[in-house]
Amino acid sequence: NAGVTQTPKFRVLKTGQSMTLLCAQDMNHEYMYWYRQDPGMGLRLIHYSVGEGTTAKGEVPDGYNVSRLKKQNFLLGLESAAPSQTSVYFCASGWTNEQYFGPGTRLTVT
Amino acid sequence: DQQVKQNSPSLSVQEGRISILNCDYTNSMFDYFLWYKKYPAEGPTFLISISSIKDKNEDGRFTVFLNKSAKHLSLHIVPSQPGDSAVYFCAARALYNAGNNRKLIWGLGTSLAVNP
Repeated sequence: NAGVTQTPKFRVLKTGQSMTLLCAQDMNHEYMYWYRQDPGMGLRLIHYSVGEGTTAKGEVPDGYNVSRLKKQNFLLGLESAAPSQTSVYFCASGWTNEQYFGPGTRLTVT
Repeated sequence: DQQVKQNSPSLSVQEGRISILNCDYTNSMFDYFLWYKKYPAEGPTFLISISSIKDKNEDGRFTVFLNKSAKHLSLHIVPSQPGDSAVYFCAARALYNAGNNRKLIWGLGTSLAVNP
């Protein structure tokens, strides 16, 4: 039982490049979330999903897209990376009251 | 505009003593409060929670107290152990998107160091 996994763990991108972060959970949760954590800002919700095939915007959705084609996977895409997207990205799954987090992806955009 | 505030960025405590981590909030519509613990290079893990209709919840060495009139909650760890050294986040649940969806509003965290 792996819980929530994220790939990759680290990535360096140049401005304008694109990438996809993958989140997978094996707990059969309906709800999944993408957060970013920045110094002095706490965790902020980017996008979330309440079930397979559904996605919704969170607090800071600009510059990101998501897809939930399978219940166990939640993908976060950056179409044209910007230095402001340098952050640590966490995926989570579960009810709002008890979310299970992945280990995070540290992304640097130069 | 921080709706959930953890005013102490760090706290240092001796092993065996009590650790008290504080959290203040501004939105009286928050209906649930949670504490998460985070070790370096790992994601946050759920620790303990409390509904707004209660004033105390206890789980082993961890107790959370809620004072709604003061919009203040605290996490007590007794006795503190070196393995408790981590960053502790306070979070509050809020309605979102004018529907049944709820989201968590997070504090910035308090780094706890428990010294042997």
